Amino acid sequence: DVKVTQSSRYLVKRTGEKVFLECVQDMDHENMFWYRQDPGLGLRLIYFSYDVKMKEKGDIPEGYSVSREKKERFSLILESASTNQTSMYLCASRTPGPGTGGYEQYFGPGTRLTVT
Amino acid sequence: AQSVTQLDSQVPVFEEAPVELRCNYSSSVSVYLFWYVQYPNQGLQLLLKYLSGSTLVKGINGFEAEFNKSQTSFHLRKPSVHISDTAEYFCAVRSQGGSEKLVFGKGTKLTVNP
Repeated sequence: DVKVTQSSRYLVKRTGEKVFLECVQDMDHENMFWYRQDPGLGLRLIYFSYDVKMKEKGDIPEGYSVSREKKERFSLILESASTNQTSMYLCASRTPGPGTGGYEQYFGPGTRLTVT
Repeated sequence: AQSVTQLDSQVPVFEEAPVELRCNYSSSVSVYLFWYVQYPNQGLQLLLKYLSGSTLVKGINGFEAEFNKSQTSFHLRKPSVHISDTAEYFCAVRSQGGSEKLVFGKGTKLTVNP
């Protein structure tokens, strides 16, 4: 079974703090993704990564950056947290080819971040 | 670019009743289609997917969906729901041969009442 883990289930940070959200997958997937989920808005893509050290902006990258130094790990960084970044953050990974994954993304359990 | 519309934000049903969750998509190219389920305080789990071939797709937990290209729809159905099906359901689309990105709908909250 594919396993995607996220470093924290719940996190409380103060405005202006630098925040790191970590995601690790154990299936040697090339592609990894960060989403935020807000009620009534569904999932919105923040950043994704094709491979190590490669990244591409998603639909809402402002206020975020990412790091992918190793294939299994994809980090989301909030440079200076703000209250409007209070949200559920979901990480996902997939293999780019058809393979056994069939293009689907595998999700972690999520990190609920509160910025006060 | 693709877009996904889930027509109902909330669907309440009684246990053992049938349910249909509606999903329409917009795309200028051929697509792959997915339904994901999110149980409370959990991540998303794949229910089923349409890649090609038969337009009727069967998934886990007794769910199925039908791809209708002419109506650009991919509605999710279950003939008899259980309390444990209470969750949020997301429809998603990805273009074939193009971007790696999945585009999600805003979700439908299914509540199954006893």
